[in-house]
Amino acid sequence: DTGVSQDPRHKITKRGQNVTFRCDPISEHNRLYWYRQTLGQGPEFLTYFQNEAQLEKSRLLSDRFSAERPKGSFSTLEIQRTEQGDSAMYLCASSYTGTGGKSDNQPQHFGDGTRLSIL
Amino acid sequence: SQKIEQNSEALNIQEGKTATLTCNYTNYSPAYLQWYRQDPGRGPVFLLLIRENEKEKRKERLKVTFDTTLKQSLFHITASQPADSATYLCALPTWWGSYIPTFGRGTSLIVHP
Repeated sequence: DTGVSQDPRHKITKRGQNVTFRCDPISEHNRLYWYRQTLGQGPEFLTYFQNEAQLEKSRLLSDRFSAERPKGSFSTLEIQRTEQGDSAMYLCASSYTGTGGKSDNQPQHFGDGTRLSIL
Repeated sequence: SQKIEQNSEALNIQEGKTATLTCNYTNYSPAYLQWYRQDPGRGPVFLLLIRENEKEKRKERLKVTFDTTLKQSLFHITASQPADSATYLCALPTWWGSYIPTFGRGTSLIVHP
């Protein structure tokens, strides 16, 4: 179990640029989640995948945000035309919910996040 | 609307004492509740899950209680150590096609030697 890894750990970019973050979940985990965390707040749920299917995306903050998990393994989160308000920690988590996807109460395993700073 | 409340003020205690953190919630009827620990610059780490039919759960120096009538969970660390200093988050399941944890803002615990 190598844990959830996220890349890069830090990203500094100018307003208006596009950024993409990568998440590699624990290999046997079928669920992958993206969260955003700002200072002094808990993680805020954005979207999640079961295998390659994106099951919820209404929580993505705007149409500038998109996520993919093309082969049901790693995932990417892209923010287009970044704004200063996008500065935050972006966290990825994974879990295994069984073959029927029924065990929702399994703990989430988080990566250490990508800290995004918009200049 | 659903709300999870954790004390935003840091809890400062002396080493060896018991730390008690509170998680209150409204407009939820959760089947379970989770507690996570988060260190600065790191992702949250799962600690404990307690189900609605469990009044109390223990793991080493940790104890969690869950009162569905009061809509409250208490998280205790006995014989606290400076290494226990961290932010502790409670999480409740919210339905998004599956149950996804919704996190409180967390409470910072500082254990002084």
